[in-house]
Amino acid sequence: TQLLEQSPQFLSIQEGENLTVYCNSSSVFSSLQWYRQEPGEGPVLLVTVVTGGEVKKLKRLTFQFGDARKDSSLHITAAQPGDTGLYLCAGAAGSGYALNFGKGTSLLVTP
Amino acid sequence: AAGVIQSPRHLIKEKRETATLKCYPIPRHDTVYWYQQGPGQDPQFLISFYEKMQSDKGSIPDRFSAQQFSDYHSELNMSSLELGDSALYFCASSIGGTRNGYTFGSGTRLTVV
Repeated sequence: TQLLEQSPQFLSIQEGENLTVYCNSSSVFSSLQWYRQEPGEGPVLLVTVVTGGEVKKLKRLTFQFGDARKDSSLHITAAQPGDTGLYLCAGAAGSGYALNFGKGTSLLVTP
Repeated sequence: AAGVIQSPRHLIKEKRETATLKCYPIPRHDTVYWYQQGPGQDPQFLISFYEKMQSDKGSIPDRFSAQQFSDYHSELNMSSLELGDSALYFCASSIGGTRNGYTFGSGTRLTVV
């Protein structure tokens, strides 16, 4: 059973377009994180959200944590080819527990 | 800045052989995690260590074992290898628990033939 459901699974867009990726769960998380992974490399942490309703911005990326701390979204404005990669959300029930990952959203941005 | 170091980067083994993967966490990070990622799959948590003691256990097969040593490096030992064990194995480290995020190594690609 997948604890974290991500959608869409695949996304192919053109440079300059906006997109939103969703991460949903029926469980409450103490924190939720977003990672970006390149093929054959380890995931790289983008952001951690801990407070329900929290919004964090990282340049053209906007992350939101749901009020109930069960879901999150990642919005990319004016996507660029360098944004191409696998975006993974991950959450933990508590600080002492390991992260569970979603299946990821594979994003392709073409020039 | 120092990162998480994993070795070897690539490993090819035959069925029923054993393999040992090594991980050197970021200095002063108190927790080490091991994950397995099959082709097109999300990382699956195997096991973690906090201050050299096993802290959490995930879907780690009985054929696998791991430990963290006094110098904080960790090793994942895999015996009686099966074709299905072929995957990327990542080590990650963190300080202060999950809340501060993980730093992942570049992984070891294990191929069992």
